[in-house]
Formats: sequence, C-alpha cells, structure tokens
Amino acid sequence: QSVLTQPPSASGTPGQRVTISCSGSSSNIGSNTVNWYQQLPGTAPKLLIYSNNQRPSGVPDRFSGSKSGTSASLAISGLQSEDEADYYCAAWDDSLNGHVVFGGGTKLTVL
Amino acid sequence: QVQLQESGPGLVKPSETLSLTCTVSGGSISSYYWSWIRQPPGKGLEWIGYIYYSGSTNYNPSLKSRVTISVDTSKNQFSLKLSSVTAADTAVYYCARRGKYCSGGSCYSGSWFDPWGQGTLVTVSS
Repeated sequence: QSVLTQPPSASGTPGQRVTISCSGSSSNIGSNTVNWYQQLPGTAPKLLIYSNNQRPSGVPDRFSGSKSGTSASLAISGLQSEDEADYYCAAWDDSLNGHVVFGGGTKLTVL
Repeated sequence: QVQLQESGPGLVKPSETLSLTCTVSGGSISSYYWSWIRQPPGKGLEWIGYIYYSGSTNYNPSLKSRVTISVDTSKNQFSLKLSSVTAADTAVYYCARRGKYCSGGSCYSGSWFDPWGQGTLVTVSS
C-alpha cells in the first residue's frame, strides 16, 4: 500500500492528451512539492517533472505537471508510442522525521 | 555529466547482510545528498534512505532498524548495508543523487532524484 495513490493504469491513442493523478495528504503533497518519474520497460526511472511543474533539460514540453491541495497531476499531450511506460509520483513526507514517499505507479498504454 | 554505477553481490542468503556500493563518476560527491531506492520485481519504488557527503543520514522509518548508509569521499562512493534480509528484500536496488536548485544566490537540496544508476538486482535466497 503506497502512501501516494495513483491509478494502476491509463491509456490513450497517439495524439491524445492523458492525465495521471496522484493523491496524498497534508503531510506530503499538501505541504511539499511533487516530482514525477518515467520508467521505460527494463530501464531505471528517469526524472520527468520536479517541483510540481518544472521540466529538466531534455524533457519535451508535451509533459506538464500541476498540484492543487493534496493532489497532483501529470499531463501528457500529443501522446506518442514511446510514452508507453510506468509513471511514478513522489514527494517528501513530513511525518516520522521526514522521508520520501512514492506512488504505486501508473502503467500508461498507448493504444 | 554525472553517472552512477551500483555494484555488489547479486545473491544474498536469508538472515545475512546485503552490501552494495555506488560509484559516482563525472563529478564530485561533495555538496550533494545521495540516495538508495529499491524496486521489488513487478512492483513500485521504495525509498531506502539518503546520506549527505558530510555523513549525515536519513532512513525510511520502515527499514531504519536494518539500514546503514555510509560515504567514502576519497573514493567518490557511497554504500548501503541492509541486515537480516529476507525474500521480501529481493529487488532491483538503485542509487541516485538528490537534486539541487539555486535561488537568490543560495542553493538548496530538492526532493527529487536525478540522475539514477542503472540498478542492480539482488536476490535473497538460500
């Protein structure tokens, strides 16, 4: 049972816009920034979005992040076949002396 | 750019101690926090803990009693020890660097991880 809640799966067709949600609580998303990671099959996770809505250099602007209250979302516009991957949200949690918590991950399928 | 590489035994017996090392190349280990994260086969990510280059640490409360993370700045390496392992500790173990951002002339550590090592599978089995 992950501290942050994500839907286990999402899907879309090429060119579509899809969103992935991430729900937390006041001790994590409610008081800290959210980060998103993309994990392509058989590879290590890669930072996709940091500090709620910042894209690292090299990440296409098709990827965007937002946060409101104790929830966050990752949006992917102009969906491409290479976007098929697992996506994880993460945040700092202020409880128990502070620690990092992850969502359970969302498997995105491009139909 | 900075690259991370995990190394260590791929097989550990139950009740023994898992030991892994992460070697940092292309940059200094100084002035950053360094983390271990694991992923059981077919499951999600779990943060294990982090260490600052000066040696201060913070561990996942659920693993704290069994985890030790240390750093060797002379070798640009940091290490993970997880004691009393069971089959539930079978996972791909990743090392990663915590991000940093600068504002108003000062720099601060962020909560994100970038870059990551490629990961190493550790199986706990007799």
